[in-house]
Amino acid sequence: GAVVSQHPSRVICKSGTSVKIECRSLDFQATTMFWYRQFPKQSLMLMATSNEGSKATYEQGVEKDKFLINHASLTLSTLTVTSAHPEDSSFYICSVVQRSYNEQFFGPGTRLTVL
Amino acid sequence: RKEVEQDPGPFNVPEGATVAFNCTYSNSASQSFFWYRQDCRKEPKLLMSVYSSGNEDGRFTAQLNRASQYISLLIRDSKLSDSATYLCVVNKLGGSQGNLIFGKGTKLSVKP
Repeated sequence: GAVVSQHPSRVICKSGTSVKIECRSLDFQATTMFWYRQFPKQSLMLMATSNEGSKATYEQGVEKDKFLINHASLTLSTLTVTSAHPEDSSFYICSVVQRSYNEQFFGPGTRLTVL
Repeated sequence: RKEVEQDPGPFNVPEGATVAFNCTYSNSASQSFFWYRQDCRKEPKLLMSVYSSGNEDGRFTAQLNRASQYISLLIRDSKLSDSATYLCVVNKLGGSQGNLIFGKGTKLSVKP
């Protein structure tokens, strides 16, 4: 069964609105979750590392004020795309690491389209 | 030089064929290497880790050449269900489990 869930799976919104994406670790507690995005025909790019109970760590070039991350519990991290614009349209994927298996499990992704 | 570089393909092969994918990485201090599989519009899923001694999992064989900074994946007896994009993945220097660098992927299409 699924290890990581994401909601919504798809969202279409108007330019200027904010969109919240939820990532849930279903099988184990995750002090750390990761957020990636993937543009068409491009590779997955790590956006930020979400840390439970503390501030997220953002990769270079990713605006922390635009992509708000909240990791309020050991099983839930949220990514909010604030004032979304068409260039933010992408496939957003979260992941968690199962350390005992040394494997990173990905959520099913959220496809965001900003009109 | 890109951090992880792959031939984008597509590779169009008949069922039963053997196909090989190559990947090069730029950071000589990278420690962990993986092949992931990504189906169209889906999340990536781990296919196999790649070890220095080379490793095999059924029809799949992965090889690592640290001196050349080169990773390969061999698929024998291709099945229709092998059609997907194969991602070469390397961890960042000193990175946590999350600091993975993904290649753009090589697309494989297996035809009847």
